[in-house]
Amino acid sequence: QKEVEQDPGPLSVPEGAIVSLNCTYSNSAFQYFMWYRQYSRKGPELLMYTYSSGNKEDGRFTAQVDKSSKYISLFIRDSQPSDSATYLCAMSAESGGGADGLTFGKGTHLIIQP
Amino acid sequence: ETGVTQTPRHLVMGMTNKKSLKCEQHLGHNAMYWYKQSAKKPLELMFVYNFKEQTENNSVPSRFSPECPNSSHLFLHLHTLQPEDSALYLCASSRGQGSGTEAFFGQGTRLTVV
Repeated sequence: QKEVEQDPGPLSVPEGAIVSLNCTYSNSAFQYFMWYRQYSRKGPELLMYTYSSGNKEDGRFTAQVDKSSKYISLFIRDSQPSDSATYLCAMSAESGGGADGLTFGKGTHLIIQP
Repeated sequence: ETGVTQTPRHLVMGMTNKKSLKCEQHLGHNAMYWYKQSAKKPLELMFVYNFKEQTENNSVPSRFSPECPNSSHLFLHLHTLQPEDSALYLCASSRGQGSGTEAFFGQGTRLTVV
């Protein structure tokens, strides 16, 4: 069983829709959860960073963590064509990755249709 | 601009060549990481340096040799690579173990081994 499962997509939605991206994981030691956005030919850009369970909102983005279900989500409201990218979930047992670094999902390729 | 700069952005090398990738961070962080990103696979952690000391070598072949002369600079020396080593190599930095901060990535070096 892979440590982090993420549907690679592609996920195609119309502009203005609410997007839901998800990851599941198996390691109960994970406490720090991140979402990165990666445009083609670019490095990953940090979007959201959360610790333990709960919700965090930043503009159009909301991150949710449910540690009891080992399930994390990223919601994008009022999606824009500029949101088209690959979204990577990442997690670690230590802040910043620590000695073990971050464990990533494969990434979900998101397409927002104008 | 994330404060993590990688050079070169693109590199094509033969299997008998020796080359080096460079990473520099301007964030005052103490931990630096090398990750490998291959198509359809999650980012794979290669090496971790914390306060210039290597704390993780994730079963990486010896044809990859890291060097961390100080907390701001990280190198990845390459020699006798194989075509399957072609990938995007990403450098990241964070404040350090247990310091409560996220990891930031550079734009990556796109490596092609011919």
